[in-house]
Amino acid sequence: GQQVMQIPQYQHVQEGEDFTTYCNSSTTLSNIQWYKQRPGGHPVFLIQLVKSGEVKKQKRLTFQFGEAKKNSSLHITATQTTDVGTYFCAGLSSGTYKYIFGTGTRLKVLA
Amino acid sequence: NAGVTQTPKFQVLKTGQSMTLQCAQDMNHNSMYWYRQDPGMGLRLIYYSASEGTTDKGEVPNGYNVSRLNKREFSLRLESAAPSQTSVYFCASTELAKNIQYFGAGTRLSVL
Repeated sequence: GQQVMQIPQYQHVQEGEDFTTYCNSSTTLSNIQWYKQRPGGHPVFLIQLVKSGEVKKQKRLTFQFGEAKKNSSLHITATQTTDVGTYFCAGLSSGTYKYIFGTGTRLKVLA
Repeated sequence: NAGVTQTPKFQVLKTGQSMTLQCAQDMNHNSMYWYRQDPGMGLRLIYYSASEGTTDKGEVPNGYNVSRLNKREFSLRLESAAPSQTSVYFCASTELAKNIQYFGAGTRLSVL
């Protein structure tokens, strides 16, 4: 079946360092979404990318969707302690209403 | 608006007991979903309902049943709980036009 993998699984950074997480799908996706889950909380929608090669920015966060629509990345510039949490990508399986979530990257930021 | 409301927030069951997890949304969304989250496994889809009156299996449906009671409510039932069903369960709903999933706060279930 369709799989979405994320790397790395864990990342510890010093406050102020950059952070990147990568998302790879075994099949082409209609779109890719990114969610953030704070410790003990629930996933919260960050952004959606639809077009091949699309790049979107939200303040210190930069999101990219690959040309083949099978991979994506999230880059955080100059991390802050408020960035702590697990970041998930999710792809909408083509022709269905099913979302396939990646395994997530847990980010810890050391002050 | 409350968004997506899940009850209960916590539950402890003994092996073999049954229970129903409730989910309701007040955003008039068509699609609703049930996920389970286990450490290191991300979110895995159990069942979903694309619209009122329809339900479909996700990745891990075994041991669960669902009911889309009306447009607002989507319940998940464990008929005979097993320790392997210890997990955090999230309900979500989606506004189709935007494809954004809104999650409830989750139900933390332990099966002893």
